[in-house]
Amino acid sequence: DVKVTQSSRYLVKRTGEKVFLECVQDMDHENMFWYRQDPGLGLRLIYFSYDVKMKEKGDIPEGYSVSREKKERFSLILESASTNQTSMYLCASSLYWAGAYEQYFGPGTRLTVT
Amino acid sequence: GQQVMQIPQYQHVQEGEDFTTYCNSSTTLSNIQWYKQRPGGHPVFLIQLVKSGEVKKQKRLTFQFGEAKKNSSLHITATQTTDVGTYFCAGQSAGGTSYGKLTFGQGTILTVHP
Repeated sequence: DVKVTQSSRYLVKRTGEKVFLECVQDMDHENMFWYRQDPGLGLRLIYFSYDVKMKEKGDIPEGYSVSREKKERFSLILESASTNQTSMYLCASSLYWAGAYEQYFGPGTRLTVT
Repeated sequence: GQQVMQIPQYQHVQEGEDFTTYCNSSTTLSNIQWYKQRPGGHPVFLIQLVKSGEVKKQKRLTFQFGEAKKNSSLHITATQTTDVGTYFCAGQSAGGTSYGKLTFGQGTILTVHP
């Protein structure tokens, strides 16, 4: 079974703090993704990575950066947390089969910025 | 950029009634995937549709991909309380190298009254 783990289920940070969210997958997947999920907005892609040290911006990259130093690990960084970054953050990795990339999600980190 | 619209946002049904959610993309898709997120959980892959006009069934669930590969639907026959959750469609844009990047719809939240 593919396993995607995230470092924390719940996190509370103060405005202006630097925040690190960690994601690890154990299936040697090339592609990894960071989303945020907000009510009524679905899942919005922040950044993704298709190889070690390779990254591309998603639809809402402002205020975020990422790091992928090892294939299995993809980190999301909030350089200076703000209250509008309070959200559920989901990490995913993907596997290509039968003509499409299936995504496997981690359990999510609910971040509150006060 | 690519947009995927999903309706309805909410659906309340009595157990045993049918349920349908619809997805429409602003651009032609390479494939479309469906995910289910149980309350408090993370999205879990249900199925992917790759071919124009494709129809797939999983027990009481029927998935369709439009002829133009721009729309899709999920139909559940005779809903059960175990069907409760949020259903997301997610489209992969046709053409180019996307590394499996998906654009998610806003999701349909299904509640089933026993």
